[in-house]
Amino acid sequence: GQNIDQPTEMTATEGAIVQINCTYQTSGFNGLFWYQQHAGEAPTFLSYNVLDGLEEKGRFSSFLSRSKGYSYLLLKELQMKDSASYLCASMDSNYQLIWGAGTKLIIKP
Amino acid sequence: IAGITQAPTSQILAAGRRMTLRCTQDMRHNAMYWYRQDLGLGLRLIHYSNTAGTTGKGEVPDGYSVSRANTDDFPLTLASAVPSQTSVYFCASSERMNTEAFFGQGTRLTVV
Repeated sequence: GQNIDQPTEMTATEGAIVQINCTYQTSGFNGLFWYQQHAGEAPTFLSYNVLDGLEEKGRFSSFLSRSKGYSYLLLKELQMKDSASYLCASMDSNYQLIWGAGTKLIIKP
Repeated sequence: IAGITQAPTSQILAAGRRMTLRCTQDMRHNAMYWYRQDLGLGLRLIHYSNTAGTTGKGEVPDGYSVSRANTDDFPLTLASAVPSQTSVYFCASSERMNTEAFFGQGTRLTVV
């Protein structure tokens, strides 16, 4: 079957670095997406990986290992506004997204 | 402002009533989607459309129907609402099926 796993909640300190992990089992894998969702708002796109390796975009980076079915989102220099849920989603052979339940990130001063 | 708009923002609906959630995008995206989001669960795809005139069933299509008469509009209809359809509904669009999706602000629906 198809499955996405990510931690339910994480806590980090302002200014620090946090890594949010995601493991997936997807038939006919077509890439891995990360979205950010603030409470009560819509998800917004952060990154897309289809090849192995690290993609860096400012304070955010995303890594993919296709052989391990594993991705992570790395957030550096954390700011209070980074408090949000981070959604991992893998794309299957039909180009449908399979979504994880999201990781709620709490940033403390 | 370009984007994707949903209406209404929230609604309380009596069980058994018919309801249509509206979704309009002005980005000329080919693909559109309807998701529901429930606490503790990931977004679940209800229906999708690859291009105007075509629709497909997602993971949880029962009790819902859609139409795609043109590129911009993708309404979702609940024929006879039930309490289990209480959820937050998001409409989204993307240029193609394998590109980033842009989401509407969501519709919070409560069926009582």
